[in-house]
Amino acid sequence: DAGVTQSPTHLIKTRGQQVTLRCSPKSGHDTVSWYQQALGQGPQFIFQYYEEEERQRGNFPDRFSGHQYPNYSSELNVNALLLGDSALYLCASSPKRGSAGELFFGEGSRLTVL
Amino acid sequence: KQEVTQIPAALSVPEGENLVLNCSFTDSAIYNLQWFRQDPGKGLTSLLLIQSSQREQTSGRLNASLDKSSGRSTLYIAASQPGDSATYLCADHHNTDKLIFGTGTRLQVFP
Repeated sequence: DAGVTQSPTHLIKTRGQQVTLRCSPKSGHDTVSWYQQALGQGPQFIFQYYEEEERQRGNFPDRFSGHQYPNYSSELNVNALLLGDSALYLCASSPKRGSAGELFFGEGSRLTVL
Repeated sequence: KQEVTQIPAALSVPEGENLVLNCSFTDSAIYNLQWFRQDPGKGLTSLLLIQSSQREQTSGRLNASLDKSSGRSTLYIAASQPGDSATYLCADHHNTDKLIFGTGTRLQVFP
């Protein structure tokens, strides 16, 4: 049973560029959340997708957007990249929105902005 | 604003010791609490989930407790091993849709 998979694992961008990160949830899960983890910090909630809609959002600007597909996979898009966007981006999936069940995380995508 | 605090920030112990990692949260309406392990540069591995109706959970050498009244959770690691070296994160299921994380405890177990 494949867990949460994310791609790419590492990428380097320059300021002002745009980036798309991808996530496939664990089998049987329909809810996907995205987190940003800066070096030495705990992950910070970006947003959650369920039934192809953004359901809740953390304190992140509109430059951060997302999408969920009918097969439950998800994308995180970040526009107009800033140096401060350099971080590990983590995707988490859970079996049912509202269940407060166990979340499972992928290995993350390490973004470096130069 | 809900906050999660983890103490100590770092811990270095010899192999075989029993450890206690602490997590404090300000959320009076916490749903569940989840403990994770993170190896350097890697994602998060779920260790234990304590639901709001429970007081503790056990998995192998790990035991986690939850005291909602005092806003505290502890992770107990028995007979520590070098392979336990990692950062341990606790997370408040603030509502059913998002987690609030502490900054973690970086653990090193030396032979």
